[in-house]
Amino acid sequence: DTGVSQDPRHKITKRGQNVTFRCDPISEHNRLYWYRQTLGQGPEFLTYFQNEAQLEKSRLLSDRFSAERPKGSFSTLEIQRTEQGDSAMYLCASSSGAGGTDTQYFGPGTRLTVL
Amino acid sequence: GNSVTQMEGPVTLSEEAFLTINCTYTATGYPSLFWYVQYPGEGLQLLLKATKADDKGSNKGFEATYRKETTSFHLEKGSVQVSDSAVYFCALSPDPQSGGSYIPTFGRGTSLIVHP
Repeated sequence: DTGVSQDPRHKITKRGQNVTFRCDPISEHNRLYWYRQTLGQGPEFLTYFQNEAQLEKSRLLSDRFSAERPKGSFSTLEIQRTEQGDSAMYLCASSSGAGGTDTQYFGPGTRLTVL
Repeated sequence: GNSVTQMEGPVTLSEEAFLTINCTYTATGYPSLFWYVQYPGEGLQLLLKATKADDKGSNKGFEATYRKETTSFHLEKGSVQVSDSAVYFCALSPDPQSGGSYIPTFGRGTSLIVHP
């Protein structure tokens, strides 16, 4: 069990550019979550996958954000036409099992800075 | 919608002091409740959890009891150490029987600073 990994750990970009982040979950986990965390706040839910199906998306998620999980393994989160307000830590988590009782395992996060 | 409210920090204590971090929630049915901890420079990790009313979660000397009547899940530790300095997040996962979504909800986090 190597844990959840995220790449890159840090990304600095200019406003208007597109960025893509990758998350590799724990291999046997069928659920994968993306969150955004800003300073002094808790993780804010963005979207989640059950295997390769994207089951829920936050109403707060702009159409500039898109996520994929091909083949139910790793996932990517793309932000198009980045804005300064997108600067945050982007967290990925994975879990096994069904329902709400399973534990989420978090990656170290990708810190995005939009200049 | 669901919500989690935790006491604002920072909480500053001396080593060996008693710790309480309050957490209350709003949700239908019987959500699962969690405490996560984030040490400086690291990702969130599960500290403890409780999945039904009156359950007590415990780990590393920390405890929290699921109180349905007061919709609370307060975190306690009898004697804190400097190494406990971190940010603590209370969270819930919705009750699958409530018919709603599976979207977890986190509190804003409470920073704990323990001095020698």
